[in-house]
Amino acid sequence: ETGVTQTPRHLVMGMTNKKSLKCEQHLGHNAMYWYKQSAKKPLELMFVYNFKEQTENNSVPSRFSPECPNSSHLFLHLHTLQPEDSALYLCASSQGWQSQYGYTFGSGTRLTVV
Amino acid sequence: AQKITQTQPGMFVQEKEAVTLDCTYDTSDPSYGLFWYKQPSSGEMIFLIYQGSYDQQNATEGRYSLNFQKARKSANLVISASQLGDSAMYFCAMRDPTSGGSYIPTFGRGTSLIVHP
Repeated sequence: ETGVTQTPRHLVMGMTNKKSLKCEQHLGHNAMYWYKQSAKKPLELMFVYNFKEQTENNSVPSRFSPECPNSSHLFLHLHTLQPEDSALYLCASSQGWQSQYGYTFGSGTRLTVV
Repeated sequence: AQKITQTQPGMFVQEKEAVTLDCTYDTSDPSYGLFWYKQPSSGEMIFLIYQGSYDQQNATEGRYSLNFQKARKSANLVISASQLGDSAMYFCAMRDPTSGGSYIPTFGRGTSLIVHP
């Protein structure tokens, strides 16, 4: 059982839809991350939150909107997506910036934009 | 420029044998961390092992060991006594300082490992 839970596991949405991805961790970590994993491309960092404050936005298009209401929850709000946004979206958490204990990942949300 | 390079898109190994997955990295900062992750078909990224740039000894975690060659900027993962459950994608990652002073990990493209019975 992973310490980071992502819902839904699979999502199919049209380009005009609005949907949200949810990530929840109960590990006591204070940093949370959104990554995008596309086929044949390296894992791409999208957003970083440290103590609920957004500290990194890796030039992500505005059609992706993150929200971090507290240190345990992270959302990714999606609207007017493009087919090239279809990918596996992974959430991760860590104990601070410089944790040597790695980043704990969720199982991801497989997103398909039609 | 690519910071993490994994040159082996796919590897095959016989069950119970050892296998080495290659990883080279590029950074000019003396303080950095290296990670290996395993991603089975379920999608979850599983942390395997960590090596800090100032660590004198190679990291080991059970059947996993990291062959850290600092001068060559190499951080190869060695899996001993391979098991069928080791079949997965393996990602090498590095955390080094960004221009903003934070530490964010970047990942390589991964190596697909298949263990044959």
